Amino acid sequence: ETTLTQSPAFMSATPGDKVNISCKASQDIDDDMNWYQQKPGAATIFIIQEATTLVPGIPPRFSGSGYGTDFTLTINNIESEDAAYYFCLQHDNFPYTFGQGTKLEIK
Amino acid sequence: QVQLQESGPGLVKPSETLSLTCIVSGGSVSSGTYYWSWIRQSPGKGLEWIGNINYSGSSNYNPSLKSRVTISVDTSKNQLSLKMSSVTAADTAVYSCARDRAIYSYGVWYYYGMDVWGQGTTVTVSS
Repeated sequence: ETTLTQSPAFMSATPGDKVNISCKASQDIDDDMNWYQQKPGAATIFIIQEATTLVPGIPPRFSGSGYGTDFTLTINNIESEDAAYYFCLQHDNFPYTFGQGTKLEIK
Repeated sequence: QVQLQESGPGLVKPSETLSLTCIVSGGSVSSGTYYWSWIRQSPGKGLEWIGNINYSGSSNYNPSLKSRVTISVDTSKNQLSLKMSSVTAADTAVYSCARDRAIYSYGVWYYYGMDVWGQGTTVTVSS
């Protein structure tokens, strides 16, 4: 089973900031990494697929990077609506596993 | 646009069987390019993938839950179901269904993770 270590667990940002969220895999998973955004009471939103590809309809201030074991979700020019819980998923092997999540607060 | 909606009892007694349904609208569970997953989320354990299934009944399960879980699909009703037996308080969680991208090529399935999620339904295990 692939363990994903996501950090930080919590972060606070100001509108206009740039933030990075890290997800490290316990073994090589190529680019089989997705990122998601979750807000209370709403369906989870798919934002980055295959580590670096922006899902259609997602604002370009979101981007993903990485390959193998180290991955990063970057949000540029943060907006208040980006306040949410973000998590990574590896789909390289079963069982799919998730990072522990990052709660992003906007001041 | 595909939408998924989970439903089922919000309260289940310990040792009983949890049963949930996920109705798919705006798309078909019979689509050959998708599997359909169940995921749960709890404050203590975070996100946990339970398993997935496709229209023909081909399925994959998380080994940690496999002995207690059955996922099924009903193409006539365009829905999928989750049954989890012998539940305990540790099974208290928000349960979500999601569409799971997959491609079948040269005899092998390749999986790409979930793209569309339901809102989730809260299940509490308590007497």
